[in-house]
Amino acid sequence: NAGVTQTPKFRVLKTGQSMTLLCAQDMNHEYMYWYRQDPGMGLRLIHYSVGEGTTAKGEVPDGYNVSRLKKQNFLLGLESAAPSQTSVYFCASSPYRLDNQPQHFGDGTRLSIL
Amino acid sequence: GQQLNQSPQSMFIQEGEDVSMNCTSSSIFNTWLWYKQDPGEGPVLLIALYKAGELTSNGRLTAQFGITRKDSFLNISASIPSDVGIYFCAGRDFGNEKLTFGTGTRLTIIP
Repeated sequence: NAGVTQTPKFRVLKTGQSMTLLCAQDMNHEYMYWYRQDPGMGLRLIHYSVGEGTTAKGEVPDGYNVSRLKKQNFLLGLESAAPSQTSVYFCASSPYRLDNQPQHFGDGTRLSIL
Repeated sequence: GQQLNQSPQSMFIQEGEDVSMNCTSSSIFNTWLWYKQDPGEGPVLLIALYKAGELTSNGRLTAQFGITRKDSFLNISASIPSDVGIYFCAGRDFGNEKLTFGTGTRLTIIP
């Protein structure tokens, strides 16, 4: 019963490097989300997807890109990493719209940009 | 954008005490959710509220959807060591797929 799986769990990057974070869910959920969590700021939505092949911007999308080529996977890309992107990144999924369908979260990816 | 004020930011209590925390919004929500996050893990849903005035329990946890639709409350009765963690409220307004999260309440139990 994996639920939402995020890889990698930890990563250290140098400024300017690029990387992709992978989120996979095995619950056949339609909706998927990427959040970042910073101290004292709660979770902020970066991008989300309401179905395979669709993506939309969230609250803090700048510097990130996403793709949802397969229903079970949601990828978050950092084009040119900056120290301000040091954070803990969480992926979440839900079966449908949030009405009566709360989100299930992964365990996070801790990313440090030097 | 939406703003959620969650208070208190932190709590230090003794085992067995009751706990109360709340969230207030600058606008109306039609869904309130309460999550708990343990160190090194993602948030886990505790209670979901979908109607103004709704009072819902999950074991020792009780949450209420405020009648103004702008606030929600979480109470924990007879706290135990495994209650330690960060509690987040989250809300969603009408016609929106996105949640807005509060800044969290960190609960610590003093031996």
